Amino acid sequence: EAGVAQSPRYKIIEKRQSVAFWCNPISGHATLYWYQQILGQGPKLLIQFQNNGVVDDSQLPKDRFSAERLKGVDSTLKIQPAKLEDSAVYLCASSLGEGNLNTEAFFGQGTRLTVV
Amino acid sequence: AQKITQTQPGMFVQEKEAVTLDCTYDTSDPSYGLFWYKQPSSGEMIFLIYQGSYDQQNATEGRYSLNFQKARKSANLVISASQLGDSAMYFCAMREVLKTSYDKVIFGPGTSLSVIP
Repeated sequence: EAGVAQSPRYKIIEKRQSVAFWCNPISGHATLYWYQQILGQGPKLLIQFQNNGVVDDSQLPKDRFSAERLKGVDSTLKIQPAKLEDSAVYLCASSLGEGNLNTEAFFGQGTRLTVV
Repeated sequence: AQKITQTQPGMFVQEKEAVTLDCTYDTSDPSYGLFWYKQPSSGEMIFLIYQGSYDQQNATEGRYSLNFQKARKSANLVISASQLGDSAMYFCAMREVLKTSYDKVIFGPGTSLSVIP
């Protein structure tokens, strides 16, 4: 089966510019996650969707970050305006959801963002 | 509050030896799942092994096994017969079901494992 697709793989922008990341989860996966992974740290959950609804965005900096999942499939994560501390890898993951504890989350290859 | 703790920022192991990576977690939910992921320098997250909170036996997957001690809230990963390709970051993660059909997966800070020839 096809895995989680993310684009772009790499992005370099200047601070105060905007950027958008795209994610296409595994077909049939209800849950989609966006994680931010700063170099040397574990992934931090930014936002989680169940189908096309947001179930957790408690750690999303809402003054600059936004995300949507139209029609419960693809998702985009946007940063506007970017700050230097936003430099990180942005990982998208998906899982079956629906309360299935024993199914792992599948990850995309990530987008490495550098803000200069 | 930190829910997943990995106290070993870096570990070294001799090739062909076994190594244990520590993970402790905190939850008040009786139903949860524990995962280990490997992240090589290339960046992808690779699923290794899963343990459910109600599982009676420790999980095993090839050279990977999970030493699950529920009362201590620990889920240590054991890698037997280490190989050079095992050099990577290793993350412990926990899934909690917070509401009906809604779960959350959080990660620990990771342990960097280096296998020495």
